[in-house]
Amino acid sequence: DAGVIQSPRHEVTEMGQEVTLRCKPISGHDYLFWYRQTMMRGLELLIYFNNNVPIDDSGMPEDRFSAKMPNASFSTLKIQPSEPRDSAVYFCASRISGRGDEQFFGPGTRLTVL
Amino acid sequence: AQSVTQLGSHVSVSEGALVLLRCNYSSSVPPYLFWYVQYPNQGLQLLLKYTTGATLVKGINGFEAEFKKSETSFHLTKPSAHMSDAAEYFCAVSDPNTGNQFYFGTGTSLTVIP
Repeated sequence: DAGVIQSPRHEVTEMGQEVTLRCKPISGHDYLFWYRQTMMRGLELLIYFNNNVPIDDSGMPEDRFSAKMPNASFSTLKIQPSEPRDSAVYFCASRISGRGDEQFFGPGTRLTVL
Repeated sequence: AQSVTQLGSHVSVSEGALVLLRCNYSSSVPPYLFWYVQYPNQGLQLLLKYTTGATLVKGINGFEAEFKKSETSFHLTKPSAHMSDAAEYFCAVSDPNTGNQFYFGTGTSLTVIP
């Protein structure tokens, strides 16, 4: 298996710009999770999907953040407009239900907002 | 509600010494428990997990953990530290009845001294 794929791996942008992060889960996995990792707050769950449907978005920091999953093999996390405090590493993870709940993580996208 | 506490945000051991990373959880039901490792600039990788059955769980790279229900603990150990073990370690818990969300600890950074 290719594992969870995220792109880009690094993103540097200026404050106010739109940022789109992409994730391809492992084929056959029906759960997809977006996390944010910072030194100050650690690993935070932003949102997760089941069968392409958003289930819990209570971790999304504010309306500037949005996430979509148009099909089983693709998800995006969008920040518009971006702010310096959004600088973090964003991880995508996927899981298949019924197999001990293990989550598989992608390599992450390191976002820097100047 | 579920939560995880990792005692010690930084642990240093000498090469060849015992590694002990502590994890305590709070859960209303017997949970599923996980240890993940994160190497620099990489995503989280599963080390081991406990779902049911034998309470002593063996994982990759010589690590093991023991589920102790009476102590609500799931400490990670390795008899002899190797330089390559230097990384960030995360303990996580999920509810077997839902399993949708993982609750991560704040992580423990392991340094191995040559």
